[in-house]
Amino acid sequence: DIQMTQSPSTLSASVGDRVTITCRASQSIRNWLAWYQQKPGKAPKLLIYKASSLQSGVPSRFSGSGSGAEFTLTITSLQPDDFATYYCQQYNSYSWTFGQGTKVEIK
Amino acid sequence: EVQLVQSGAEVKKPGESLKISCKGSGYSFSNYWIGWVRQMPGKGLEWMAIIYPGESDTRYSPSFQGQVTISVDKSISTAFLQWSSLKASDTAMYYCARQRDGSLFDIWGQGTLVTVSS
Repeated sequence: DIQMTQSPSTLSASVGDRVTITCRASQSIRNWLAWYQQKPGKAPKLLIYKASSLQSGVPSRFSGSGSGAEFTLTITSLQPDDFATYYCQQYNSYSWTFGQGTKVEIK
Repeated sequence: EVQLVQSGAEVKKPGESLKISCKGSGYSFSNYWIGWVRQMPGKGLEWMAIIYPGESDTRYSPSFQGQVTISVDKSISTAFLQWSSLKASDTAMYYCARQRDGSLFDIWGQGTLVTVSS
């Protein structure tokens, strides 16, 4: 199975900061990588798919990059609504794996 | 509106059986895979299994193979996740989600909390 490792596990930031979260796959997944945001007590929400495509309705301050085995999610100018946990997720051969999550906290 | 609506919270005893549901609406239910994802208390997301309603084709994560069964009833646009004998370690929130483009989950149900306690 492909393992997904996110870093950091927790990130403290202030409103207006630029935030970057990294996700590494244990082998190449080409660009089959998605990012989700989850707030407490809520279902995950799709932000980015195919590594860099922005889901409809998601603010443009969110962006994704990378291919192969290393990917990043960037939030430019962090907003109060962005404090949440973020997960990466890979797809490969009828198998889906999530990273362990990165919690973005208020500094 | 495209949505998935899950059945309500359940409280069960160890050894009991359970079947939870996920009803799709606002789209062609038969044409999209539906996946199930577990989230244990305070923990991350784990993909469990996935089913294609059009043909009832299924795939299971090795971690959940034999532990749960997924099924679907196309006539009522509903997918199911079931256990034959629950354990305390099955206590978790369970989400269903629509798969799109073979790789991502774009629409999620609200989650079903399953609590297993004696």
